[in-house]
Amino acid sequence: EPEVTQTPSHQVTQMGQEVILRCVPISNHLYFYWYRQILGQKVEFLVSFYNNEISEKSEIFDDQFSVERPDGSNFTLKIRSTKLEDSAMYFCASMGTGSEAFFGQGTRLTVV
Amino acid sequence: KNEVEQSPQNLTAQEGEFITINCSYSVGISALHWLQQHPGGGIVSLFMLSSGKKKHGRLIATINIQEKHSSLHITASHPRDSAVYICAVQKTSYDKVIFGPGTSLSVIP
Repeated sequence: EPEVTQTPSHQVTQMGQEVILRCVPISNHLYFYWYRQILGQKVEFLVSFYNNEISEKSEIFDDQFSVERPDGSNFTLKIRSTKLEDSAMYFCASMGTGSEAFFGQGTRLTVV
Repeated sequence: KNEVEQSPQNLTAQEGEFITINCSYSVGISALHWLQQHPGGGIVSLFMLSSGKKKHGRLIATINIQEKHSSLHITASHPRDSAVYICAVQKTSYDKVIFGPGTSLSVIP
């Protein structure tokens, strides 16, 4: 069964530090997404990525956030200067033909 | 207004009971997803539907496009079914997934 993998599973960082969350989507998928879930809240869309560029982003995805697909396999989310309110579970997802979404296990980010 | 609503918000059932979780949405969609989230946090896709009904083991998902409503049924519930069940929709193919608030299910032995 193909799967989306995310690393690390848990990251603790100091406020103001940069973090990079990593995802390896399913190899033949072309559409990639980041979502986040603040504790106790529903999952929210951050950004979608297709053909090496952002195709849509939410109002949460401000200048502090960026995404990259540096080497054709990894898909990363960078937060430049973390704030306490960035503490959340971050999910990566990918879609292939048929648009079934496959989600990673998530990275729990804790900003202290 | 939320585009995806679920009921109930919380559900406690005795082992063996038949369970129904409902989802209603307010937008035109190309697909509806039912997802499962365990306490560890990972999300697992259970079903993707665009019409009719799908069955996998003890899980059944139905959708009524005209009424903008979907249901997830669990037959012969078991404590290992305890999780949050999330309804989510896509407006068009390859579009982002819009999540509902989830239904927290607890199945008691």
